[in-house]
Amino acid sequence: DQQVKQNSPSLSVQEGRISILNCDYTNSMFDYFLWYKKYPAEGPTFLISISSIKDKNEDGRFTVFLNKSAKHLSLHIVPSQPGDSAVYFCALYTGNQFYFGTGTSLTVIP
Amino acid sequence: NAGVTQTPKFRILKIGQSMTLQCAQDMNHNYMYWYRQDPGMGLKLIYYSVGAGITDKGEVPNGYNVSRSTTEDFPLRLELAAPSQTSVYFCASRHLGSGANVLTFGAGSRLTVL
Repeated sequence: DQQVKQNSPSLSVQEGRISILNCDYTNSMFDYFLWYKKYPAEGPTFLISISSIKDKNEDGRFTVFLNKSAKHLSLHIVPSQPGDSAVYFCALYTGNQFYFGTGTSLTVIP
Repeated sequence: NAGVTQTPKFRILKIGQSMTLQCAQDMNHNYMYWYRQDPGMGLKLIYYSVGAGITDKGEVPNGYNVSRSTTEDFPLRLELAAPSQTSVYFCASRHLGSGANVLTFGAGSRLTVL
């Protein structure tokens, strides 16, 4: 069964605007929530994370929000830049294992 | 630092052949993982290891084997390759410690079974 879902396979945003990527999960057991970014022909690279005891974490243009009651995680990128165009995966961590979503392909239009 | 190195980058196998995907890390990380990514899907965990001599199954272990004889290396063995094993394989590692819940990935190995 799919424990982690990213319901939007793709998203297009104008340069300078906000990009919002979403992730829903079904189980409350996770300890950490992460976002990874992936360019074609490369491995995923870590972007930002949040502990289950927090509801917000910022790092420059990237902010991750966690709504535990709704079992919902989101990534905000503002302002969006063309170099942000990539596939974004959410990943949830518990018990030495990471569970990945299916990814959202973000295109930032110049 | 090279990080996580995977070889080969590309490989075509015939049904029933066997091969080993190599993974090496030079960061002295305790934990190592093998994932596969199919088109339109997330990464699925095949096997993982918490240290030399210790391995555990993930979500999709059937058709694969692993070993962890050293901290640095974590090879993935495919026995009797099948078309269903056509995928991109990623190796990853992480360090044991507080705030260390971050995986470092290799560049991937694309395998096609015909």
